[in-house]
Amino acid sequence: QQPVQSPQAVILREGEDAVINCSSSKALYSVHWYRQKHGEAPVFLMILLKGGEQKGHEKISASFNEKKQQSSLYLTASQLSYSGTYFCGTEIGKEDKIIFGKGTRLHILP
Amino acid sequence: DAGITQSPRHKVTETGTPVTLRCHQTENHRYMYWYRQDPGHGLRLIHYSYGVKDTDKGEVSDGYSVSRSKTEDFLLTLESATSSQTSVYFCAISRPQGIYGYTFGSGTRLTVV
Repeated sequence: QQPVQSPQAVILREGEDAVINCSSSKALYSVHWYRQKHGEAPVFLMILLKGGEQKGHEKISASFNEKKQQSSLYLTASQLSYSGTYFCGTEIGKEDKIIFGKGTRLHILP
Repeated sequence: DAGITQSPRHKVTETGTPVTLRCHQTENHRYMYWYRQDPGHGLRLIHYSYGVKDTDKGEVSDGYSVSRSKTEDFLLTLESATSSQTSVYFCAISRPQGIYGYTFGSGTRLTVV
């Protein structure tokens, strides 16, 4: 079942922070996060495997609450290059296929 | 970049004709996937493969078939193309452990007229 992402779209000014949420109705083994620029392929950002784990990638970090089946992606001090569509993808079991959410469009204004 | 290529990059075809899209990888990864991307739907899984001749259906497999006779090639066939199959198709590969995420090909934009 497709995970639910919120919000659907965000507009920020450069330097502002954003949070993108991803929730599932099923127990999860892992959550993936990807970013897609317009006209390009999705690019892997990070994977979270354990409950309560938080990972970071430059100024982009994420958390995973295994009990609530939720993950959040945090973008701090956003840069113009962060614009794009962010997808979460969830795995029910180890080495399972990923089911993606519908995406969150992020637009950063100068 | 990772060795994954999709062909063709663009294709226009007529309703009712069969169409085959190819995904080729040079990474020797066992796991390969086909997704379609449509506005408002995100990425939806069509079929996937965990090895040669080991394939299974995804969320939106009706009207599609796949074949994997070699590790490096994963073919997606639209048996009789319909306008609802107009979409961007992405192939992806991954390692069994999954911790490195998926690597996607550049996509094939298919238009069925």
